[in-house]
Amino acid sequence: DAMVIQNPRYQVTQFGKPVTLSCSQTLNHNVMYWYQQKSSQAPKLLFHYYDKDFNNEADTPDNFQSRRPNTSFCFLDIRSPGLGDAAMYLCATSRVGGRFTGELFFGEGSRLTVL
Amino acid sequence: TQLLEQSPQFLSIQEGENLTVYCNSSSVFSSLQWYRQEPGEGPVLLVTVVTGGEVKKLKRLTFQFGDARKDSSLHITAAQPGDTGLYLCAGLYNYGQNFVFGPGTRLSVLP
Repeated sequence: DAMVIQNPRYQVTQFGKPVTLSCSQTLNHNVMYWYQQKSSQAPKLLFHYYDKDFNNEADTPDNFQSRRPNTSFCFLDIRSPGLGDAAMYLCATSRVGGRFTGELFFGEGSRLTVL
Repeated sequence: TQLLEQSPQFLSIQEGENLTVYCNSSSVFSSLQWYRQEPGEGPVLLVTVVTGGEVKKLKRLTFQFGDARKDSSLHITAAQPGDTGLYLCAGLYNYGQNFVFGPGTRLSVLP
């Protein structure tokens, strides 16, 4: 059974039309991440939540926002998508802290197309 | 800035050949993971290594963590077309929250 579920798998939007991508997890992990991945490149971290604490990467555009209403769910909001935002968006979870080794568990991704 | 390098970045081989992919950093990891990603899918965790010098085997895949915990290798024996994909290494520093990814190795195994 899938442990990190992303919806939708495919999202097509128009230039400037807001988009929300969702992620849910059944692992009860304390950290949830959003990554952006463009064709065959490594995933690029946008931001992450450690419990309720939001951690933004310095180079993440203001156009990208996130919400984590509870442990299980996390959302990625793209307020005004541009053509350059077309990418695969990956949600991942991890249990970190203490002496846990820490591994990332990824969802299947949401592929965003901007017309 | 913590960086991870991977080599080679692209590799195309014939079915049955062996290969090794390398992941290197100048920093010490608390743990390192290898992932495989197929087109249109999210990365899937293959292995986590934690102890310097550790060797883990997963069927035809052998993972090694360097003694100093700064580098790792992935060796595939008798590669098969099903091994085709993007192989990513990722490191965790100081038992923190942020994972650093290498640029990936795109492997193509031809039948």
